[in-house]
Amino acid sequence: NAGVTQTPKFQVLKTGQSMTLQCAQDMNHEYMSWYRQDPGMGLRLIHYSVGAGITDQGEVPNGYNVSRSTTEDFPLRLLSAAPSQTSVYFCASSSGQMPSYNEQFFGPGTRLTVL
Amino acid sequence: AQSVTQPDIHITVSEGASLELRCNYSYGATPYLFWYVQSPGQGLQLLLKYFSGDTLVQGIKGFEAEFKRSQSSFNLRKPSVHWSDAAEYFCAVGANSGYALNFGKGTSLLVTP
Repeated sequence: NAGVTQTPKFQVLKTGQSMTLQCAQDMNHEYMSWYRQDPGMGLRLIHYSVGAGITDQGEVPNGYNVSRSTTEDFPLRLLSAAPSQTSVYFCASSSGQMPSYNEQFFGPGTRLTVL
Repeated sequence: AQSVTQPDIHITVSEGASLELRCNYSYGATPYLFWYVQSPGQGLQLLLKYFSGDTLVQGIKGFEAEFKRSQSSFNLRKPSVHWSDAAEYFCAVGANSGYALNFGKGTSLLVTP
């Protein structure tokens, strides 16, 4: 099992550019989430999905879009990148069932810089 | 709403000394509690978790945590710290939704020789 994979690992964008961060999991988890990590802020939830075709906003959704067409994939789109979106982005999945329930399985992260 | 507070932003301990990292949560019912560790430039690794049962939980790398309902705390402990334990530690709480956790802001651990 590869677990949760993310691409790319690093990305530099110019203000106004758009891009998609890819996330995939092979654990057949129903739930997937995107977090951003900023110094001194911990991890904050951007968007989440409770199953294919179902997504919702988290704590900091502005400037991001998501979709979930399959159980495995959960891409995060930046529509028009801004310097405030410079961050490390983590994708995570969880089974939603015991014994692991909402334990988050994380990908390795994408470090994004917006100039 | 559920929330997590990690009161210590930075902690420095000597190698071989004991360690306690504090975590307080706010949640009405019995929460699901987690500690994750992040080494520099790396992703997050689960150290341990508490769902129910025994309030003293053992994790990987010699860590343990104790759930104290009366104090709304879930402090992480290790009896003897190794230099490789230097990292950022995050406490997290989950409610009865299976999709995400609320994370604290983290505690950065420095280990001195």
